[in-house]
Order: sequence, then C-alpha cells, then structure tokens
Amino acid sequence: AQKITQTQPGMFVQEKEAVTLDCTYDTSDPSYGLFWYKQPSSGEMIFLIYQGSYDQQNATEGRYSLNFQKARKSANLVISASQLGDSAMYFCAMRGGGATNKLIFGTGTLLAVQP
Amino acid sequence: DTEVTQTPKHLVMGMTNKKSLKCEQHMGHRAMYWYKQKAKKPPELMFVYSYEKLSINESVPSRFSPECPNSSLLNLHLHALQPEDSALYLCASSPPGRPDTQYFGPGTRLTVL
Repeated sequence: AQKITQTQPGMFVQEKEAVTLDCTYDTSDPSYGLFWYKQPSSGEMIFLIYQGSYDQQNATEGRYSLNFQKARKSANLVISASQLGDSAMYFCAMRGGGATNKLIFGTGTLLAVQP
Repeated sequence: DTEVTQTPKHLVMGMTNKKSLKCEQHMGHRAMYWYKQKAKKPPELMFVYSYEKLSINESVPSRFSPECPNSSLLNLHLHALQPEDSALYLCASSPPGRPDTQYFGPGTRLTVL
C-alpha cells in the first residue's frame, strides 16, 4: 500500500529564514511522482513542485526546492527566505501506482511565518 | 495559464434541496477531478473523469452525481445531502502532457443544514 507521512503538524519560522517541511513516503511501485501543494486559508490548493522517481536532480522552483532522498524515501520541501505570504498548510502528495492519476496526500503541515 | 474556476464560492443548502457545483477549465486538460476536504484534513478523491468519461468513483454515495458535459466543464449534482457532507469541494484538472500534475480550483465551501 502507498502512504505519505508528514510528522510535523505545525511549524514556525522567522521571516527571511529557510524552513524544511518533512515528508516520507512508502511505495513498492518503481515509478512514482511526488508533489508539494500549498493551501492558504482561502482554500485553493496551489501546486508548488514535482519530483519524479527517476529524476537524477532535486527539483527546484524559485524559492522552493525538494530534497529528494530516494534510499530514505523522503521528499522534504525547503522554502528559502520565508515570506509572510508563505503562511499556509502544506501537503505532500504522491501519485498512486498504475494507470490512474490518483493523488495520495499526507496530513499536512501548518506553517506560520513570523515577522 | 493554469486556471481552474469553480462556482459558487459558498453554498448553503437544506437536506431536501438539489444543487449543483460547477468547475471549468480552458487549458485543454482532458482529466478532471472532484475532491472533498473536511476541515484540517487532506483532500479525498471522489471522482475522476478522463476524456469526458468517468474513470474512477471512490465509492461515493449516490447523493453525489458527477457529470462531464464537455472537455472544459465538470459538474457535481447534489441531492438529499447530510450535514456531514459539509466540506470544501475542490475541482482539479491535469494536462495531457503532464497527467501527474493536478491544478486545483479555489473550491466551493458547502454547508448542509
């Protein structure tokens, strides 16, 4: 069975500092995709970054980078130079196996950026 | 452009009402999804449409009825809902070239009285 685990229910970070949000996963499928989504209090799920299981390099998108450690089955999100607007819920997700595009979500981490 | 729109933003309905949620995208995406999200929980997949055909139904009660009239539009028809169906309903779509990546709409906050 596939599973995503986010062990940090909540995190605080000072503005302009970097923060790492943890995500571990479990799958027996050799081909999979890992995602991070941001959900502000308004409700919209915003796609941040994607890492494919066969990608050799860690994904980066602006201030977001994904620290992919395949052997440890971890896909941590690193946000550099935090901004007040980064305060939100962050979900790690994995594409399910087979031909479906079903996403399996973790329980989320609520990030609060303090001035 | 990665915009998915949803209407209405908020909906309050009684248990005997019939209402519909609407989702629209004009990005040429051929897969569309409905998710349900309870407060402080992750989204749960309800339905997947692929090329206007229902491909996944996650054992959703029949009081929720999805419809995909064309490649740009996805509806969710609601009838005889229960108070526990109150939630944020999210629509998403994914492009043909990147079926893994789902783009979400802003959601409809549904309250069932």
